[in-house]
Amino acid sequence: AQSVTQLGSHVSVSEGALVLLRCNYSSSVPPYLFWYVQYPNQGLQLLLKYTSAATLVKGINGFEAEFKKSETSFHLTKPSAHMSDAAEYFCAVSPQVTGGGNKLTFGTGTQLKVEL
Amino acid sequence: KAGVTQTPRYLIKTRGQQVTLSCSPISGHRSVSWYQQTPGQGLQFLFEYFSETQRNKGNFPGRFSGRQFSNSRSEMNVSTLELGDSALYLCASSLDQYSYEQYFGPGTRLTVT
Repeated sequence: AQSVTQLGSHVSVSEGALVLLRCNYSSSVPPYLFWYVQYPNQGLQLLLKYTSAATLVKGINGFEAEFKKSETSFHLTKPSAHMSDAAEYFCAVSPQVTGGGNKLTFGTGTQLKVEL
Repeated sequence: KAGVTQTPRYLIKTRGQQVTLSCSPISGHRSVSWYQQTPGQGLQFLFEYFSETQRNKGNFPGRFSGRQFSNSRSEMNVSTLELGDSALYLCASSLDQYSYEQYFGPGTRLTVT
């Protein structure tokens, strides 16, 4: 069984400040990990993915995440927040097994608010 | 290249009715997955189709079913609708069952009254 836990359902930062969204995973097999973003009334957009290559993953819009096996974490960061980053962010996990990659288990989401 | 399209975007149905939602994947993508998003349960995996075959299934009752056509388009059906089926239904496509990169459509907002 796999699961992800996102700490903090709401995070508020000032424009230009560091963004840190936390995700911890639980998996009985090596996981693949993902971060998605959802803007109001839209579907999900893939920000970045970890598929057991480099542990530091760079994604779109200046976001990056680091896979830390010892901490079972995959936190999302961005050095400088922009107003356009305000959205809901989801961490997701899928099993690293043949044919299982598209069965995502999502966290409960973190709503990011960016203030002037 | 056009993205994933879902029709209809909004739907209102009455309890007990059935509904069919449609998803057209990105051209060339052969895997289609469906997810349900609700405020209470969050995002939950329904099923995945590849080459017209269901490859994975989530923990949903048999009232939820789907299919995929030879052109990779997919439909999902919910029979005997319940109030709790009100949700945003998201479709995602990927190249195949191994690509681990899914592209989501805008969703169909289903309201059951």
